[in-house]
Amino acid sequence: DTEVTQTPKHLVMGMTNKKSLKCEQHMGHRAMYWYKQKAKKPPELMFVYSYEKLSINESVPSRFSPECPNSSLLNLHLHALQPEDSALYLCASSQGTGGQFGYTFGSGTRLTVV
Amino acid sequence: RKEVEQDPGPFNVPEGATVAFNCTYSNSASQSFFWYRQDCRKEPKLLMSVYSSGNEDGRFTAQLNRASQYISLLIRDSKLSDSATYLCVVIRGTGNQFYFGTGTSLTVIP
Repeated sequence: DTEVTQTPKHLVMGMTNKKSLKCEQHMGHRAMYWYKQKAKKPPELMFVYSYEKLSINESVPSRFSPECPNSSLLNLHLHALQPEDSALYLCASSQGTGGQFGYTFGSGTRLTVV
Repeated sequence: RKEVEQDPGPFNVPEGATVAFNCTYSNSASQSFFWYRQDCRKEPKLLMSVYSSGNEDGRFTAQLNRASQYISLLIRDSKLSDSATYLCVVIRGTGNQFYFGTGTSLTVIP
C-alpha cells in the first residue's frame, strides 16, 4: 500500500465540470507536489508546496488550481478542462524540502476529459 | 538542452542477462540523483539513490560520475519481474524540483 493516498483513482469529467483531486499523506512530510504524466512520457512538475505554501508553479494554466489546507492534504481543483488535459495526475511528498530523500508518489488519478 | 537525457530504449534482454542504463544531466549544480521504476499504469517507485561512491542493492548497482555528469544503473541476472520503465531523476541544488529523464523501457524475455 502506498503511503500517499490519492482519490479518486479514476475520473471522467466534461469540459464544463468542476472537480477536485485529493491527496493525503501522514508521514510528516513537509513538501508536496503535483505532477502530470501523459502516456509514455515522464512526469511533468506542476506545483510544489513547501510548508503548506506554494513555492513553485510551473506556468500551469489557471484551470488547474492547487490548494494545501494543511500539512497532510493537497488538493487540485479542476475547472473548464480540455481533452488534452487527460492524463495521470500524480501527487508526491518528500521528507525534506530539498527532495534529497526522494519522493514518495501516490498511485495517481487517471483523468479523462470528454 | 534538456535537464536530463536518457536513452528511451526499448531494451529487450533474455532472463539472466546483465543490462545497463545511462542518464546524463546538464546542470553541474545538481546534487541528488535517483533511479525510479515505473510499471505500466502505476506510479513511479523509488528504486535507489545514487552516490558518487556507488551503491549496490542486491542485483542493482547505481553509479554517479560527476566529472562526466552521468548516472548509471546496472541490473545483473535480469528477472522477468524487472520489466518496467526506469526513470532517472536529478534534483538541482537550489530547489526541490525533480527532473525526470524520459525513461528507459526494459522487457526481460523468458
